[in-house]
Amino acid sequence: GAVVSQHPSRVICKSGTSVKIECRSLDFQATTMFWYRQFPKQSLMLMATSNEGSKATYEQGVEKDKFLINHASLTLSTLTVTSAHPEDSSFYICSARDRAPRELFFGSGTQLSVL
Amino acid sequence: GENVEQHPSTLSVQEGDSAVIKCTYSDSASNYFPWYKQELGKRPQLIIDIRSNVGEKKDQRIAVTLNKTAKHFSLHITETQPEDSAVYFCAATPRGGGNKLTFGTGTQLKVEL
Repeated sequence: GAVVSQHPSRVICKSGTSVKIECRSLDFQATTMFWYRQFPKQSLMLMATSNEGSKATYEQGVEKDKFLINHASLTLSTLTVTSAHPEDSSFYICSARDRAPRELFFGSGTQLSVL
Repeated sequence: GENVEQHPSTLSVQEGDSAVIKCTYSDSASNYFPWYKQELGKRPQLIIDIRSNVGEKKDQRIAVTLNKTAKHFSLHITETQPEDSAVYFCAATPRGGGNKLTFGTGTQLKVEL
């Protein structure tokens, strides 16, 4: 199946710093990518839909100035957690759709720990 | 928007037994229902999916059933094995939703020897 690469896999940072997470579709073009957040033993919560060449669409309750999304090419979307705080600590995971209808492929996730 | 409920939250079965996980959805326009398996700290993996024009789909030991009238769908795993132990998520996406999945709350399946 298609491959979605996500980096870094783990980040530990100090409170107040910004962290960038990359999501790449390796063998297909993805006009749309999705960013999720997952707390321990909980479900995946959609944060935003990343659209190539346009602004991301954020879900209700997600601060767009806090979680900056850039989808500058058909194979790369980035999520930047700005001025991170301990409450931002979570597992962040992206997904992208191949040409095959409806099937989503997920990145390997990024565990963010803010001290 | 769509709301997906999933039960049970934890499920423990003996190796070789069957496991059933159930989900309900709220949006009657939803027409695609995937199931994902997620091992601890890893990415969700699609294991089976079903579209609203089909009532049942089977892939070896895994099957999914869909009842559009009642708006519920279920995952069935037969002859469970220890490697089936993981968290399973159901999801739904509405027609025209562009893969915007709404996930269920997850089921921790433990297959005991």
